[in-house]
Amino acid sequence: GQQLNQSPQSMFIQEGEDVSMNCTSSSIFNTWLWYKQDPGEGPVLLIALYKAGELTSNGRLTAQFGITRKDSFLNISASIPSDVGIYFCAGVANFGNEKLTFGTGTRLTIIP
Amino acid sequence: DGGITQSPKYLFRKEGQNVTLSCEQNLNHDAMYWYRQDPGQGLRLIYYSQIVNDFQKGDIAEGYSVSREKKESFPLTVTSAQKNPTAFYLCASSMGQGLHEQFFGPGTRLTVL
Repeated sequence: GQQLNQSPQSMFIQEGEDVSMNCTSSSIFNTWLWYKQDPGEGPVLLIALYKAGELTSNGRLTAQFGITRKDSFLNISASIPSDVGIYFCAGVANFGNEKLTFGTGTRLTIIP
Repeated sequence: DGGITQSPKYLFRKEGQNVTLSCEQNLNHDAMYWYRQDPGQGLRLIYYSQIVNDFQKGDIAEGYSVSREKKESFPLTVTSAQKNPTAFYLCASSMGQGLHEQFFGPGTRLTVL
């Protein structure tokens, strides 16, 4: 099946720094979603993108649907301690099919 | 409060026993999903259902079974045929019909002893 390559696998940053992560695919996706998961909890939806080139913000988070439709980016500005967690990208390849393909996650750690 | 509930949060079973994990949603969503997550890994799709009385296998359906008799409920049975059942199981739902945002429950951690 399709695979999503997410990078970096982990990030160690200081509070206040900006964060960038991305997700790439070898095939075209029609929808991109970004989730955050805290340990032992279910993922929480952050941003949904439906159109190539779309740039959407949710507070300090901004995500973009790549023009080629094969990638997506998530940026977090001015990180705070509660940003710690694992961030997953997910995509839908086929219209009419509700299946999501998930990336392997980016683990964000904030160094005191 | 609208949402997805999974119970219990932690479940222990002996090897060779079947176990059923519950998932209920009151969001009036058409589609529901079951995922498995292993430590340090992403989510893998077990089964999904886009409408009542219909469901499809995901990427790792072997050793699992589901039913969708009601819109609100999508229970997952982990059978004795599943070779490595210990994992974190997540249920999700979405409106369907082209709206792909999936909303997740809190998860059930199953440990088979």
